[in-house]
Amino acid sequence: AQRVTQPEKLLSVFKGAPVELKCNYSYSGSPELFWYVQYSRQRLQLLLRHISRESIKGFTADLNKGETSFHLKKPFAQEEDSAMYYCALRTPGGSYIPTFGRGTSLIVHP
Amino acid sequence: DADVTQTPRNRITKTGKRIMLECSQTKGHDRMYWYRQDPGLGLRLIYYSFDVKDINKGEISDGYSVSRQAQAKFSLSLESAIPNQTALYFCATSARTAYNEQFFGPGTRLTVL
Repeated sequence: AQRVTQPEKLLSVFKGAPVELKCNYSYSGSPELFWYVQYSRQRLQLLLRHISRESIKGFTADLNKGETSFHLKKPFAQEEDSAMYYCALRTPGGSYIPTFGRGTSLIVHP
Repeated sequence: DADVTQTPRNRITKTGKRIMLECSQTKGHDRMYWYRQDPGLGLRLIYYSFDVKDINKGEISDGYSVSRQAQAKFSLSLESAIPNQTALYFCATSARTAYNEQFFGPGTRLTVL
């Protein structure tokens, strides 16, 4: 069965510091991977998906099939990046039901 | 604006009571989901529905039931609420095609005393 692991429950950095939220998955095929973000008192929303290869709000994520990882990175963290971040995996050919990691809470200090 | 809405937004109830949480969407999506969110446990899938006649259990369906009244409506019921069902509940929708994201409702905070 597929699994998503976000090893850090909490990541605390200062404004301007680089940030990397880790996501590792277990799946032998070609997965669909997503990052969702939940700001305080707001609903979850898509941040980015691996197929788009885009940068959203300065965040990027690269799919590394060799290491089965999809880490989220930003070179200079901002206070408004403080939120809960979830990595999600979907497997093509199945029912497209996503599996979510347990989430990482990012706190960016001024 | 096409959206996903949930009612109620907050609910406090007592052990043993029956509770229904409702979800409506105007996105025209076939697929709807119910999740619960607990600190440290992330999002866990309770039930999902691919269309009105297709309802499936998720990883934590015990103690819950659902009803898909229409394409746009998906309700979650707790037949006899218990304190460990205290959580934040999210409804979500998605289109059926690959790489499509899920759209989440604002959540219902349920407290069972």
